[in-house]
Amino acid sequence: QSVLTQPPSASGTPGQRVTISCSGSSSNIGGNTVNWYQQLPGTAPKLLIYSNNQRPSGVPDRFSGSKSGTSASLAISGLQSEDEADYFCAVWDDRLNGVLFGGGTKLTVL
Amino acid sequence: QVQLQESGPGLVKPSETLSLTCTVSGGSISSYYWTWIRQPPGKGLEWIGYVYYTGSTNYNPSLKSRVTISLDTSKSQLSLKLSSVTAADTAVYYCASYVITTPIAHYFDYWGQGTLVTVSS
Repeated sequence: QSVLTQPPSASGTPGQRVTISCSGSSSNIGGNTVNWYQQLPGTAPKLLIYSNNQRPSGVPDRFSGSKSGTSASLAISGLQSEDEADYFCAVWDDRLNGVLFGGGTKLTVL
Repeated sequence: QVQLQESGPGLVKPSETLSLTCTVSGGSISSYYWTWIRQPPGKGLEWIGYVYYTGSTNYNPSLKSRVTISLDTSKSQLSLKLSSVTAADTAVYYCASYVITTPIAHYFDYWGQGTLVTVSS
């Protein structure tokens, strides 16, 4: 069981807005910035959001990130079929002195 | 655009040492930290450790006693060695560039495609 807690699954219909949560503690999310990675089936993860709410070049503005206290969220608006993927949060943990990943959330587009 | 390519044996026997190489192209190996991450089949991601071009390293405490990550700047390659492997080390292994912009802002920027390593006799 991961120290960063994500729901194992989420779903939505095309056009909907979905959110994925990532819950941690003061030693990780509470004191460091959160990143989100998207892993399409059979491919390597890809950086989706960094530093809580920044999008790398090429990532659509349908994807947004936020952080409050010891929790973070990824929001996807205008859901599309190609968004069906696994999503992982990740953050530096001061106690571990290393990087932690959430367990991942499998997003299904119905 | 930085590109990374992992290579190495796809099958390793239990108790032996897993050795992988990651070749970096399209960017200077001295510009980033470099990291290894693994993903057991059907499971989540696990950070293994990172190395900087100066040679400084930091490892996941759960693997620290068995891991060595190093750089060969002349070949633009990073390597991973994991000793005394068991079936639990079966995973897809990824190399990635690791950006540290501030003490609290770190992220994995570019990823290799990953290579599956199976531990089995």
